Amino acid sequence: AQSVSQHNHHVILSEAASLELGCNYSYGGTVNLFWYVQYPGQHLQLLLKYFSGDPLVKGIKGFEAEFIKSKFSFNLRKPSVQWSDTAEYFCAARGGGSQGNLIFGKGTKLSVKP
Amino acid sequence: SQTIHQWPATLVQPVGSPLSLECTVEGTSNPNLYWYRQAAGRGLQLLFYSVGIGQISSEVPQNLSASRPQDRQFILSSKKLLLSDSGFYLCAWSWGQGYDEQFFGPGTRLTVL
Repeated sequence: AQSVSQHNHHVILSEAASLELGCNYSYGGTVNLFWYVQYPGQHLQLLLKYFSGDPLVKGIKGFEAEFIKSKFSFNLRKPSVQWSDTAEYFCAARGGGSQGNLIFGKGTKLSVKP
Repeated sequence: SQTIHQWPATLVQPVGSPLSLECTVEGTSNPNLYWYRQAAGRGLQLLFYSVGIGQISSEVPQNLSASRPQDRQFILSSKKLLLSDSGFYLCAWSWGQGYDEQFFGPGTRLTVL
């Protein structure tokens, strides 16, 4: 069955620390990948997405993610986190093509200490 | 620009009571619409999606149902709520089922007592 796994339930970092959140997916064939973020009290919103092309994808607020096909991974990174990055982060995947629905990981809560 | 609304924002209902949650989208036509349930530590679970008026697909068997009476209106319902229906319900829309991102509403927090 198609699935998305996020390895960390809760990550706690100090400001200026580097961030990497893991995401692995299980899909056969082509896949579209997404990272969503939910800031406290706000809507879930898209951080970045990968459909094809350059496997290193840059998103909003200094985030980036790298698609590594051989590892079935799409890890989210940021070189230096800020207190305002405190949020819950969701990885999602969809089989390539027009008929797939998004499958979400369980989410990773990031707490950044000022 | 497009906006998505959900109401109510919070709801407390007794077991066995009916439910109706509403979602509307503005600024677009013929969107794909989705209902998700978000549970702590369990991510988002797709409940229903719709590609057009009156067209509903269910992803999981459950106590809930969905309807799309108008192009930009999506309703989540139950005839008799269960304790296990408690959760955070999110509505989302997308331009189409192809390569498009989904845009999420603010959600409804449902507590069944």
